[in-house]
This record gives sequence, C-alpha cells and structure tokens, in this order.
Amino acid sequence: DGGITQSPKYLFRKEGQNVTLSCEQNLNHDAMYWYRQDPGQGLRLIYYSQIVNDFQKGDIAEGYSVSREKKESFPLTVTSAQKNPTAFYLCASSRAATNEKLFFGSGTQLSVL
Amino acid sequence: AQKVTQAQTEISVVEKEDVTLDCVYETRDTTYYLFWYKQPPSGELVFLIRRNSFDEQNEISGRYSWNFQKSTSSFNFTITASQVVDSAVYFCALRRISSGSARQLTFGSGTQLTVLP
Repeated sequence: DGGITQSPKYLFRKEGQNVTLSCEQNLNHDAMYWYRQDPGQGLRLIYYSQIVNDFQKGDIAEGYSVSREKKESFPLTVTSAQKNPTAFYLCASSRAATNEKLFFGSGTQLSVL
Repeated sequence: AQKVTQAQTEISVVEKEDVTLDCVYETRDTTYYLFWYKQPPSGELVFLIRRNSFDEQNEISGRYSWNFQKSTSSFNFTITASQVVDSAVYFCALRRISSGSARQLTFGSGTQLTVLP
C-alpha cells in the first residue's frame, strides 16, 4: 500500500540531545513537508522540500534541521537549540509543490524527559 | 497575512444528530483555495475537500456538505446524521492560488468533534 510512514510513534528526548524523526513515502511524490502540532493550535510548517537535495525553511524552522538526499525520505532532526520541542510532529507529501492535496503520516509524539 | 479561525474548540453531539463546524477566514487575496481535513485518533490528517474561491456552489458528498459564503468569508462544514466514527479533530485551511507551493497553507486551530453513542 502506498503511503507515508513516520517513526517512531513516540520519542523521548533528554536535555541537550538531538533526536531524529523519520519520514518515508512510497507515493513517488516530489514535495515533502514537516509540520508541528501543539494542543489547541493549528499545524505550523517547519521545513519543506520541493525536490531532492533542496529544502526551504517554514514558519518555525529555528532549532530544527532536515535533509533530502533521497526522494522518498525527509528526516527531521530536533536539535538541542529547540527549547520547547514537546509536540506532535506530522510529515506530509504532495505530488508536486504546486499540488495542494497533502497526504499525511500518522505522526510522532515527541516529549522531553 | 492569512488567518483561519475555528471558534469552536470542542463540540459534542449524540449519534444521528446533525452538526456544523464553523470556519471563518481572512485573506487579502481575491483567489484562494479552502480545505477541510479530518484528523482521527490515529493521528494522520485526511483530506476531505478543496474549494476554489471563484466557485461558491455548495457541495454535498454523502453525509458531508460544505457551505461556502464569500460575502461572510466562511466555509462551514456540516455532517448530517453523525456517527461515532465521525469523532475526530477537523481542520479548516486556506491557501493562495497564486502561491507556488503548500508553503502558504494556513491551518485553523481545529475543532474536536465527539459523537456519543
């Protein structure tokens, strides 16, 4: 089945630690996105990538980093510089950057120990 | 700047009742897209509908219907004869048609709908 796979479903971070959230898609989509969801708030865009080896900052990129070495993979690293990382992280993809229909993964809940 | 407001944080209804989720938006653009997404307890968002700003015709899909009123900047979503499986968080979103990517996609804060048996 085609779709987006995020792992792990739950992740815990210690102070000063970097953690990486995985996102893999087998939809052959060019564009991929990372969103952060906080309780009672809408989704906010962290980073997005329109094609392989290219990515752009979203609205809240500080404290995060990404890479797009392969079309199907768009991992997100939450660095120690992100002082409030506890949130639900959603990865999404679309056929092209101009295609407005997003397909989402099932998310990763990140918590700080 | 774009803004999407979903004033209803939580709604509870009893199964088979009709329920309307409100969405009000702000934009300076004359052409734009409006969306509704559903987020069930499993977490992933599921696309429900996209509406162009130049098409104000209301749409019905099974038990779902959408009322787009450009004059009041609203795009409300009604579920008829609600079912327990409709329980989810529903997000309204707005995007410029002129935008080259989903970067300009603005989400509302969501409405948690609980349908009680």
